[in-house]
Formats: sequence, structure tokens, C-alpha cells
Amino acid sequence: EVQLLESGGGLVQPGGSLRLSCAASGITFSSSAMSWVRQAPGKGLDWVSSISGSGASTYYADSVKGRFTISRDNSKSTLYLQMNDLRDEDSGVYYCAKDDLTGSSRGISYWGQGTLVTVSS
Amino acid sequence: QTVVTQEPSLTVSPGGTVTLTCASNTGTVTSGDYPNWFQQRPGQPPRALIYSTRSKHSWTPARFSGSLLGGKAALTLSGAQPEDEADYYCLVYSGGAQLWVFGGGTKLTVL
Repeated sequence: EVQLLESGGGLVQPGGSLRLSCAASGITFSSSAMSWVRQAPGKGLDWVSSISGSGASTYYADSVKGRFTISRDNSKSTLYLQMNDLRDEDSGVYYCAKDDLTGSSRGISYWGQGTLVTVSS
Repeated sequence: QTVVTQEPSLTVSPGGTVTLTCASNTGTVTSGDYPNWFQQRPGQPPRALIYSTRSKHSWTPARFSGSLLGGKAALTLSGAQPEDEADYYCLVYSGGAQLWVFGGGTKLTVL
């Protein structure tokens, strides 16, 4: 059974930092590209960042580029999102998700339950 | 920058058929955009339904199908059930620096 378990969310002041983690099980983590997707309260899904299985390639939405850093530790089957200089508009539920990228197919298959980030003074 | 547009809301009768669509401001949505579809019920994380235009996951109910229709990606629900009432999101693969782009979502009511 695939499980993606996020942690690290909480209340932080504007300009502050948080580090989210996502512990994966039931998948071959080191060969799985992974993504972070967020959802502001009452709003739609918003892609944040992705990373290749090796960690060599990373991708960011313009809204977080330069402030957020995605990384992974394949020895621990764990994905991270370091979030710096947080803004009110970064508030929401952050989901960890597994990408499926093959030669002829692209998709996001499994999702975690999410962790809530609230940026407020 | 790619912007993906969906119908804000749709209503379908129980047992009826409805098609949700996903359009791109860059032009025709093709199989090379690898459109995905997700279902999200209130208070739940998204659940993947369709990937790469029309491929189903092992857990995807048979009543859901994906296709390309009139230059857009489409999700068709045939034989709607009450439990299908949810928000539905499409996702396209940009392949550039902005790897993935979500549509704004469609709120589907079964009534």
C-alpha cells in the first residue's frame, strides 16, 4: 500500500520559514519523481514544485521561485520543501504527490493527506 | 505562461451523463500535454482518475473516461452516482520550467 505522510505544517509569521517533510512508503522512492501541490482555503489546486528521482532536476512555480527549495533524501524515502520568506498567500494545505513519468506517459498518481500551513501575524 | 480553463460548475442528474472540459490558452490540448483528471471530495485530498488523456488507474470507476474533444481535454461521466458530487481538476504537463499546470476546477453537482 502506498503511503505519503506529510508533516511540518503550522502557524508562521510573514517572512518566516517552515520545512515540510513527506515520508513515503510502498513505492520505489529513489526512482519516483515527486511534487508538492498546495490548496489555499476554498480555492483550487496549485502546483508548487517537482523533483526528479535522483534529485538532480528541480522545478518551481514562478510564485515560489527563489523562496522555496525542494529536496529529497532517498536513503530515508523522504521528500522536503524548505519554505522561506513566507507570505500570506502561501497559506493552505500542502500535498505531497507521486509523479509517474515514463517514456510515453505523464501523470500524478498518489497523494498524501496534506499538511496545513498558515501564514499570519 | 500556460493557463488552463475549466467550467466553474456543472449539474448532472443521477444516472445521467456529463462531460467536463479543459482548455489551454496556448491553443489545442493534445495528447502531448498528457492531460490528467482528479476528483476531490470535501475535506479529502485529490484522487487521481485519468492520466495521459485516457488511461485509467486501477481504482478508477468504469463510468469515468477521458478523451480529447474539440481541441480540449475531456472527462466524461456516464451514469452519475450521488458519490460523484465533487470538485474535478484537470492537469496538463507543460514540460518546461512550469512542469505542471492545474485548471481552476469544476464543481459537479449530482441533482
